Amino acid sequence: NFMLTQPHSVSESPGKTVTISCTRTSGTIASNFVQWYQQRPGSSPTIVIFADNQRPSGVPDRFSGSIDSSSNSASLTISGLKTEDEADYYCQSYDSAIPWVFGGGTKLTVL
Amino acid sequence: DVELMESGGGLVQPGGSLRLSCVASGFTFSRYWMTWVRQVPGKGLVWVSRIKSDGSRPSYADFVRGRFIISRDNAKNTLYLQMNSLRADDTAVYYCARVSIDYCSSTSCVGGGDFWGQGTLVTVSS
Repeated sequence: NFMLTQPHSVSESPGKTVTISCTRTSGTIASNFVQWYQQRPGSSPTIVIFADNQRPSGVPDRFSGSIDSSSNSASLTISGLKTEDEADYYCQSYDSAIPWVFGGGTKLTVL
Repeated sequence: DVELMESGGGLVQPGGSLRLSCVASGFTFSRYWMTWVRQVPGKGLVWVSRIKSDGSRPSYADFVRGRFIISRDNAKNTLYLQMNSLRADDTAVYYCARVSIDYCSSTSCVGGGDFWGQGTLVTVSS
């Protein structure tokens, strides 16, 4: 089975851009879709990116997703940071054995 | 609007059982695969179980296989998780989530969770 490794925390100032990485430990990141979820304190997760780089309706275009095969990782980039973006972010992918595998989550602090 | 409402959580002794329910509304429940995810308070998300739209193809995480049973009643728009032989490390908030229909075939569904319930807390303690 594979794992998805995320940084424990990141911080950035309002208006800036932050990128959160998600590295797949085995298997090829580009072979299986990656999703990203936002979970604000006390709330349920909500999807912000699906299928590597697709944004659900209602998610601002400040959120974008990408895949880097050279590092076998996915990234979530949030530009024009707002205090409301402060949350935990989880990447998620799958393989033939396990429908969903989550990364450990990254706490984003906007200060 | 799509809504998922979990219920059935609570305090249970080790070795006991609980059945969680997730009532869906605002969409055609019978068309969607559904999944359960849990989260220990303060910790990360962990996938638990998934079921196909027609109630077939249940799948489980290794740590619940043989103890938990996922099922659904499409006539009642309800997803279930029967939890048996509960252990202290099963203590968590349990979420149900709808699996995106965009990337489903007859045998697999590789989309993410496009809608989630508010969660129900299960506490296993003596």
